[in-house]
Amino acid sequence: NAGVTQTPKFQVLKTGQSMTLQCAQDMNHNSMYWYRQDPGMGLRLIYYSASEGTTDKGEVPNGYNVSRLNKREFSLRLESAAPSQTSVYFCASRTGVSYEQYFGPGTRLTVT
Amino acid sequence: EDKVVQSPLSLVVHEGDTVTLNCSYEVTNFRSLLWYKQEKKAPTFLFMLTSSGIEKKSGRLSSILDKKELFSILNITATQTGDSAIYLCAVVLLKTQGGSEKLVFGKGTKLTVNP
Repeated sequence: NAGVTQTPKFQVLKTGQSMTLQCAQDMNHNSMYWYRQDPGMGLRLIYYSASEGTTDKGEVPNGYNVSRLNKREFSLRLESAAPSQTSVYFCASRTGVSYEQYFGPGTRLTVT
Repeated sequence: EDKVVQSPLSLVVHEGDTVTLNCSYEVTNFRSLLWYKQEKKAPTFLFMLTSSGIEKKSGRLSSILDKKELFSILNITATQTGDSAIYLCAVVLLKTQGGSEKLVFGKGTKLTVNP
C-alpha cells in the first residue's frame, strides 16, 4: 500500500515548455486534489476532482489543466510554464467519509 | 473571501518549553478544522476538530476549537527537537453543489525547538 505517489520528484523547465505531473493513489479514494506551496504562503488549491470524471477549479487554477484519468490517477499539466509556477506541488486524496486528506511526497518544480 | 490566519508565523523555543499555536478563521460554510504537521516533505495529519468543541489529545499535543470565537489552538507541551516543523491549520468548507468539500489552509507556523 503505497498511499499517494507523485512523479517526478524534481523537475527543471525552461519558460514556455510543457509538462505533466502525475499522481496516483491506491486507497480507493473518490476525491483528489492538487495544491501548490510557496514559501510563506501555505498550501493553495489549484484543482480538485470530487469523483472520477469530474474536475473543478480551486483558488489558483490559471495556467494549469487537469485530467482525472480514472479513480486512481489525477494529473496536472502546465501547457506553457512560467517562472511564477516555480513551486512545490502536492497531490492529495481523501475518502468520502473523513475530511482528512492524505498527501503525496511532492514535486519540486523550477521554471527558469 | 474565505480566510484562515495562523499566528505566530515563526517561533523559536528551547526543549521542554510549552507552545501554543493559533489559528483563526473567517469562512462561509464551515465544516471542520484540521491540523497538519509538515517536516521535510508532505503534511501529515494531526487532528480534526468540529463544532462540538471537544478537545483532541495525542501524547504531548492537544487541540481545541472555539466555534463562537472562530479560532483553534494547538498546544505542545514539553517540546522536543523532533517537534520542529511547520504546523498547518486548514478549514474544511461545506460541499458546493456538485463539488467536493475543500480545504483552505493558513500560511503555517514554523516551529523551531532548540536543544
